[in-house]
Amino acid sequence: NAGVTQTPKFRILKIGQSMTLQCTQDMNHNYMYWYRQDPGMGLKLIYYSVGAGITDKGEVPNGYNVSRSTTEDFPLRLELAAPSQTSVYFCASSWTVDTGELFFGEGSRLTVL
Amino acid sequence: QQQVKQSPQSLIVQKGGISIINCAYENTAFDYFPWYQQFPGKGPALLIAIRPDVSEKKEGRFTISFNKSAKQFSLHIMDSQPGDSATYFCAASLLQGGSEKLVFGKGTKLTVNP
Repeated sequence: NAGVTQTPKFRILKIGQSMTLQCTQDMNHNYMYWYRQDPGMGLKLIYYSVGAGITDKGEVPNGYNVSRSTTEDFPLRLELAAPSQTSVYFCASSWTVDTGELFFGEGSRLTVL
Repeated sequence: QQQVKQSPQSLIVQKGGISIINCAYENTAFDYFPWYQQFPGKGPALLIAIRPDVSEKKEGRFTISFNKSAKQFSLHIMDSQPGDSATYFCAASLLQGGSEKLVFGKGTKLTVNP
């Protein structure tokens, strides 16, 4: 099992460009999440999904979009990139609710210049 | 309030010493309290977790102490080793909207000197 795989690992964008961060998991988890991590700020939930076709906003959704067409994939779309979106993005998945155990990918470091 | 306050921000401990990281929360609806460990360049990984009906949980050198009345919990790392050097995040779990929402503390960077 590869677990949660994120691509790309690093990316530099210019202001106003768009891109998609890819996330795929091979554990057949229903629940998937996108977090961003800024230095000294912990992790903030951007979007989450409870299953294919179902997504919802987290704490900091502005400037992002997601889709969940399959159980395995949960891409995060950045439209009109801004310097405030410079961050490390983590995708995570979980088997069930109420356990606190999320499985994280290794992260995608995005810089917007 | 859906915040989890974590302290200290950074911690330096000598090998063999005890590392203590503290967290506090306000929302009594939180029902699960995990700790995550993150090494540089990696994603966080679950270390240990506790439910609010238990006052203490121990796994090897790692212990969570939980004080429900004070709404505080802490991670103790006994006999700290250089390999424990990492960033530690406390979190609180809230079941909301059919999914589990984890609220994270801001993290503690632990350095264990040899």
